[in-house]
Amino acid sequence: EDQVTQSPEALRLQEGESSSLNCSYTVSGLRGLFWYRQDPGKGPEFLFTLYSAGEEKEKERLKATLTKKESFLHITAPKPEDSATYLCAVLYYKLSFGAGTTVTVRA
Amino acid sequence: DTGVSQNPRHKITKRGQNVTFRCDPISEHNRLYWYRQTLGQGPEFLTYFQNEAQLEKSRLLSDRFSAERPKGSFSTLEIQRTEQGDSAMYLCASSAHIQGDTEAFFGQGTRLTVV
Repeated sequence: EDQVTQSPEALRLQEGESSSLNCSYTVSGLRGLFWYRQDPGKGPEFLFTLYSAGEEKEKERLKATLTKKESFLHITAPKPEDSATYLCAVLYYKLSFGAGTTVTVRA
Repeated sequence: DTGVSQNPRHKITKRGQNVTFRCDPISEHNRLYWYRQTLGQGPEFLTYFQNEAQLEKSRLLSDRFSAERPKGSFSTLEIQRTEQGDSAMYLCASSAHIQGDTEAFFGQGTRLTVV
């Protein structure tokens, strides 16, 4: 069965303090790894799709990377508006999600 | 197109009542997914459709749950004889699947509270 594990569960950062979130996975026939941002009470918002090891994607202060067994979401110089839960999901024929990392950025 | 739309946004029901949720996907998307999410957890897969065909149902989807997607457009998820354990956020997502998969976009969800 597909397994997606995210760490840490929670991350508290000072504004401007860069950090990384981890997503490790075991899935046969990976067809894509997705990162989503979710604000409280709302649906997940799509951020990135990564398809092959070595691939990188960037959007504003976020950068996602992919290896054969894990993905990292790097947050550079975060701002309070980056506070959210970040979800990782792997695609076989369906998306299987991790439990997420809740990021809190203090001003 | 305004994205994936779900209605209602919130639903409070008494235990034992039936509820139905609606999802309108992005118009050109042929795949539609239903997920359930409880507090502190990631979304859990319930079922998905390719056009009007329901291709897989999770074992989480008991016989009290039924989903339809008539004519491959909007979808409904019905829960019969609701239980308190059904309280959760129900999320719908859609994607385009032709020769490969594209990103799945989610709606804002329907929060169900069973009292």
